[in-house]
Amino acid sequence: DAGVIQSPRHEVTEMGQEVTLRCKPISGHNSLFWYRQTMMRGLELLIYFNNNVPIDDSGMPEDRFSAKMPNASFSTLKIQPSEPRDSAVYFCASSHFLTGAGTEAFFGQGTRLTVV
Amino acid sequence: AQKITQTQPGMFVQEKEAVTLDCTYDTSDPSYGLFWYKQPSSGEMIFLIYQGSYDQQNATEGRYSLNFQKARKSANLVISASQLGDSAMYFCAMRDRHSGGGADGLTFGKGTHLIIQP
Repeated sequence: DAGVIQSPRHEVTEMGQEVTLRCKPISGHNSLFWYRQTMMRGLELLIYFNNNVPIDDSGMPEDRFSAKMPNASFSTLKIQPSEPRDSAVYFCASSHFLTGAGTEAFFGQGTRLTVV
Repeated sequence: AQKITQTQPGMFVQEKEAVTLDCTYDTSDPSYGLFWYKQPSSGEMIFLIYQGSYDQQNATEGRYSLNFQKARKSANLVISASQLGDSAMYFCAMRDRHSGGGADGLTFGKGTHLIIQP
């Protein structure tokens, strides 16, 4: 399996522009997670989906952030408009959920976003 | 309240020595999972080991073992015979189980930067 695939790997954009990050989860996995990593705040869960349905978006920082999962093999995280403080590494992860807490999440390589 | 605490921001260890990375957690859920991930300088997140709250034995995966002390709410990672390639950030994480099943997101600690010296 190719693992979780994120694109782009690097994104540099100007403040105010729209940014779209993409993720393809591992085939057969039915849970998908978006995380953000910064030096100041560490790794934070932004939103997650089970069976393509958003379950908890309480980690999404502002209305400028939105995420969709139109089907089991694709998800997007959009920032509109982007701001310099959105600069971070954004990870997508997927797992096959079971009842209980014991399924590890497999992470993509991350997208390093820089907003100038 | 912080759910995952890693008290060692950085550690220097001699090659071939054993390493213990500390992790304490806080949860009121009787069912939870504890995870360790490694993040090398290249940035990817690599799953290392998992411990379930009901598991009777400490988890082991090759050179990695998890010293699980439930009463103390601690889940320390032990790396035996450390290698230069073990130099990386190490993150402890927890998942609580919510009713109804489904996979919920992980809560991560701040991480420990481990440097293995030759």
